Order: sequence, then C-alpha cells, then structure tokens
Amino acid sequence: GESVGLHLPTLSVQEGDNSIINCAYSNSASDYFIWYKQESGKGPQFIIDIRSNMDKRQGQRVTVLLNKTVKHLSLQIAATQPGDSAVYFCAEKARGGNKLTFGTGTQLKVEL
Amino acid sequence: NAGVTQTPKFQVLKTGQSMTLQCAQDMNHEYMSWYRQDPGMGLRLIHYSVGAGITDQGEVPNGYNVSRSTTEDFPLRLLSAAPSQTSVYFCASTRGDSPLHFGNGTRLTVT
Repeated sequence: GESVGLHLPTLSVQEGDNSIINCAYSNSASDYFIWYKQESGKGPQFIIDIRSNMDKRQGQRVTVLLNKTVKHLSLQIAATQPGDSAVYFCAEKARGGNKLTFGTGTQLKVEL
Repeated sequence: NAGVTQTPKFQVLKTGQSMTLQCAQDMNHEYMSWYRQDPGMGLRLIHYSVGAGITDQGEVPNGYNVSRSTTEDFPLRLLSAAPSQTSVYFCASTRGDSPLHFGNGTRLTVT
C-alpha cells in the first residue's frame, strides 16, 4: 500500500548550520506534498507545500525539493535556530483525493 | 478568528466509558477531519467530512463515530473507550486545496 516514510528519526544540528530533512513516498499518484512542524504540546503547523508540477519551492529560510523520479521530498532549513527544534512531518495527497497521508516524523534538535 | 478549537485539552476515562471530543472551526472550512497520533507513528486519519451532513471513514475508524450537523462543528465520539484508544487526537480543517489547519489536540488516557 501507499506509505510515506522518513529516513532519520532524529537529526541534531548546530545553531547556524543548515538542516536537511528527507522524506520518501511510494504513491506515484501523489501530486501535493506538505511539510508540517510540530512543537511539543501543540498541533502541527504548516511550513511549506509543493505540487508535483514543481521541483523546488522556497519560503522564508525554508526550501522544499521534490524529486518525482525517485519519489523523494526534502526540507531544507537555512541557518537553523533554536526555535526550529521540533518534529517535522511530511505529508502527501493523491491527485483527486482530499486525504493527507503523514510520515512518522523527524525530531530536529538544535545544539547551541 | 480562533482557528480550530478542540476541547477538552486533557481527559482520563475508564475502560467502557463514553465521551465526545469537541472540534469547532470559525474559518468556514468545508473539510474537517480527525487524526490520532501515537508515539513513533505519524498521524492516522480516523474520520473526515467534506461538508455538513457528509462523513466518511479514514484509516482507523473502528471504535469512533462522527457527525457533521453544521459547517463549524465536527465532534468525535468514543462509544466504549478502550486502552488502545489512549492517544493524542487532532482535529483539522481546510477549504479547497489549502493546507490543513490543526487544533492543539486532546490528550486522552484510557485506564
């Protein structure tokens, strides 16, 4: 069946370094991908999204890259700050559907 | 504009008890959904609704009921709570192709 998975459960980075969080998906019908950030005790917050007709999208300090050939998605955070410490989830939605499928999450820890 | 509001924030139930988790949104979103989040797992879809009067099952619907009598509210009912339903429950809503907006969750413990 379809699945969305993350390569690493925990990522530790030094403050000021760039972070890269990876995600693999298996549903070739997926055409919409989202990254969420979840801080302790809170619900997931939208960070950035990308549609399958794009391979890169940039936001403020964040960039999402989509490689449809290998079904891989990544989130890059520039100049990582302590406030970026959280769990990051990727999610995907199939073309014509309205249900999101979430990955298991990556814990990002920012070391001072 | 409060967004998605979930109540209660915390709840402890005994096995066999019933309760309703409340979810309300003030953004006029037609789509609403319930997820559960367990340690080491992503969010799993329980039930969803594409509009008032319409509900459908998600990935893990057993043991839960929903109804959607208004656009704003989407309550989740546990008919007979079981320890396996101990989890954090999130309600989320959206309109069209926009990303889901999540509430801050209800932490449920069933003893």
